[in-house]
Amino acid sequence: DTEVTQTPKHLVMGMTNKKSLKCEQHMGHRAMYWYKQKAKKPPELMFVYSYEKLSINESVPSRFSPECPNSSLLNLHLHALQPEDSALYLCASSPRDSPQETQYFGPGTRLLVL
Amino acid sequence: AQSVTQLGSHVSVSEGALVLLRCNYSSSVPPYLFWYVQYPNQGLQLLLKYTSAATLVKGINGFEAEFKKSETSFHLTKPSAHMSDAAEYFCAVRGRSGGSYIPTFGRGTSLIVHP
Repeated sequence: DTEVTQTPKHLVMGMTNKKSLKCEQHMGHRAMYWYKQKAKKPPELMFVYSYEKLSINESVPSRFSPECPNSSLLNLHLHALQPEDSALYLCASSPRDSPQETQYFGPGTRLLVL
Repeated sequence: AQSVTQLGSHVSVSEGALVLLRCNYSSSVPPYLFWYVQYPNQGLQLLLKYTSAATLVKGINGFEAEFKKSETSFHLTKPSAHMSDAAEYFCAVRGRSGGSYIPTFGRGTSLIVHP
């Protein structure tokens, strides 16, 4: 199994809703990442987990809450989002958090906040 | 801090023509450089990466890139474009930030292939 899966593929939510995005990999990777990507822009790093511990939080608002329950699973909990949070949310994993390692990306969850 | 600059937000070629996508990097240490491709409504896929083993790197789908330290460049090329190559291409470098290695992406180049 050499892929990163993300669910759901699409999500529409109101500003008062609570929802979660899920990311899963079974490649034995120990580094996992959340990115936000706006249309026609590069991905922006949000969070990095290394060995299930949060190692980087790129000044992301608290309405985004990451969770890494185990080495295969990464969640992003969403609460009280704003319309400007509408974007493609990408998950990625790599064998380790080291500079030469390839990141493997999931297909993303397209989020629309109304 | 490490960074990459992609020259040209759009590149347009005819099918069968040479593809050249430009990437220049800035780094005070030997860089690790990557090229990714993103097709519409999909995630990013690695095309190739430079990790100092060889300056000419071959990737998937017929793409290759040459690391030129003197020019601080890592341009992506393909001898003959296919319609299926139309996509967004990102150059990236990984640098240390705090306790982690953060990838920094260029702004992206949209490749348009004409029949």
